[in-house]
This record gives sequence, structure tokens and C-alpha cells, in this order.
Amino acid sequence: GIQVEQSPPDLILQEGANSTLRCNFSDSVNNLQWFHQNPWGQLINLFYIPSGTKQNGRLSATTVATERYSLLYISSSQTTDSGVYFCAGFFQGAQKLVFGQGTRLTINP
Amino acid sequence: GAGVSQSPSNKVTEKGKDVELRCDPISGHTALYWYRQRLGQGLEFLIYFQGNSAPDKSGLPSDRFSAERTGESVSTLTIQRTQQEDSAVYLCASSPGLRQETQYFGPGTRLLVL
Repeated sequence: GIQVEQSPPDLILQEGANSTLRCNFSDSVNNLQWFHQNPWGQLINLFYIPSGTKQNGRLSATTVATERYSLLYISSSQTTDSGVYFCAGFFQGAQKLVFGQGTRLTINP
Repeated sequence: GAGVSQSPSNKVTEKGKDVELRCDPISGHTALYWYRQRLGQGLEFLIYFQGNSAPDKSGLPSDRFSAERTGESVSTLTIQRTQQEDSAVYLCASSPGLRQETQYFGPGTRLLVL
């Protein structure tokens, strides 16, 4: 079955809006990470968040490992936040990351 | 310090030709990973190297794909007899060591097989 599932697949917002992206993951996946892939294709690490909450500026993330989900919050969105956001987790104790299909975020001016 | 670098940035090849993609990890990182990203998709794991241990090749899609790593430095991913379905972005990542920790990604090589 699907090991990492993200929603929504697409999100279009106006500059200044807030957004919440969700990641559900199966029992075989842990140690969640969030990445932002910018329009040039570069993957940028946002959070390494196996559990709990972390904040970095306008971004924050919460992982509830017991309920197998993670949330990424973006506040006061800017056009530079546009791109694809991926969550990924390590598969069954191995070193390989399993990625979700991503949420494509478009922030319009 | 310098991040993960990959070359070439873009590669266009004809079906049936072999291609080699190169990855230079962050200095001091003992773990190196290759992933493939098809258009509009997430990343798929291909292969993982850790020091001098045998690599985890469980993600390689066929025997046309192979990878090598020299010690704890450069890695090359080779695709033999390329097919159109091999067209994708090939991303390399490295991390400091053995633990399940943050991986740092290179800019990728965009491969187009005509």
C-alpha cells in the first residue's frame, strides 16, 4: 500500500494567506522530513521532524508519530514559497527515504 | 562549505546509448544516495552507499542500471542501453553517517532519452 501520502495535491493561494499541508505515513515509515523543491528543481531541507513541533520563521511542522501524520504550516505566504513540498520518511529501519507525491503550492501576488 | 554537486546538469541522448552521471558528495559525508524523479512525481530510491559496506541496490529498476563509488567520494550512476522511460531527473544526496538523518541533495541531472 501507499507508504507516504500527501494532501492536497495542489494548492493555489494569494500572497499573505496561511496554508497547512498534510502527510500521512504507514507503520513502515519513520523519521519524517519535509523538503521544498523550488521551480529550478533544487530540493531544500525544511525540517527533520520524527515527532513534536519545530518552527523556522514563517514555517513550522508538527509530527504526531503515534497517529502517523505530519503537518507543515506556512504563514503569511510569499511568492517565493511557490514550488512543490515533499514529505519523506525512512523505510523500515533502512537508510532509503520514501517520498510522497508532493503538494504543488502556487502563491499568486 | 560546498554542497552536493552533480554533472552534467542536462543530458540528451539517443535510445540505446549508455550514459554516465556523476555525483560529488559533501566532504566528510560517508553516506551517498541516488534517487530518480519522473516528471510530476516524487523521488524513487535507487541505491545507497555507506563507507566500504556493500551498497543497498534494492531500488535499481533493472540490470541496465549500475553505480559505483570510490571510497567515500565521487559516485557514478551508469545507465546502459537507455530507453525513453529512463527520462527523468536523477538526484544524488549525501549524509554524514550511519543514522537515519537529514540527507542533502544535489541539483540533479536532467536526462532526456530521445
